[in-house]
Amino acid sequence: EAQVTQNPRYLITVTGKKLTVTCSQNMNHEYMSWYRQDPGLGLRQIYYSMNVEVTDKGDVPEGYKVSRKEKRNFPLILESPSPNQTSLYFCASSPKPGGTGNTIYFGEGSWLTVV
Amino acid sequence: GEDVEQSLFLSVREGDSSVINCTYTDSSSTYLYWYKQEPGAGLQLLTYIFSNMDMKQDQRLTVLLNKKDKHLSLRIADTQTGDSAIYFCAEIPNRDDKIIFGKGTRLHILP
Repeated sequence: EAQVTQNPRYLITVTGKKLTVTCSQNMNHEYMSWYRQDPGLGLRQIYYSMNVEVTDKGDVPEGYKVSRKEKRNFPLILESPSPNQTSLYFCASSPKPGGTGNTIYFGEGSWLTVV
Repeated sequence: GEDVEQSLFLSVREGDSSVINCTYTDSSSTYLYWYKQEPGAGLQLLTYIFSNMDMKQDQRLTVLLNKKDKHLSLRIADTQTGDSAIYFCAEIPNRDDKIIFGKGTRLHILP
């Protein structure tokens, strides 16, 4: 079954404690990205990756890091989480960024609370 | 700049038609999308329309595109309780590598 898997789904952490949210896709997609979803702000892109070892900043990259060492994995790293990073995070993947009716597959979401 | 606008809330009685509207800014967008987010889940592609089309119908869903006004709408006929979700309009400008989402319209179904 085609899927994007994120872990953890739910996490409460403390300010400053490094954490990683993993993302894995089983569709051999080249393009992967991370979004955060906040009330009234919709989806905002954090980082994206066009292929292995290629990553770029999205609209709200501050406070986040990513890596793309393998095609299937695209972890999101919060080196020193702060309360304003409390949000719902989505990982997504697609064969390419868009066009030609390309389907973007989303993970189930990771609820992160930073206290 | 690039922006996709949609109203945040819509309430509809069960059995009625729902119409969710969206405006976008980039006329170069080749495809426009509607995504559905059910409670506690990620986004799923509902339907899309190619920019050279005016209308696309898929069972209870009808997508209308007015390219001149950069207006996209999603009509859900015979709205059911299972249609309760957040609906996101999205575009991918031709020159860009990313998909631009609207803020989402929360559809609430009244009994």
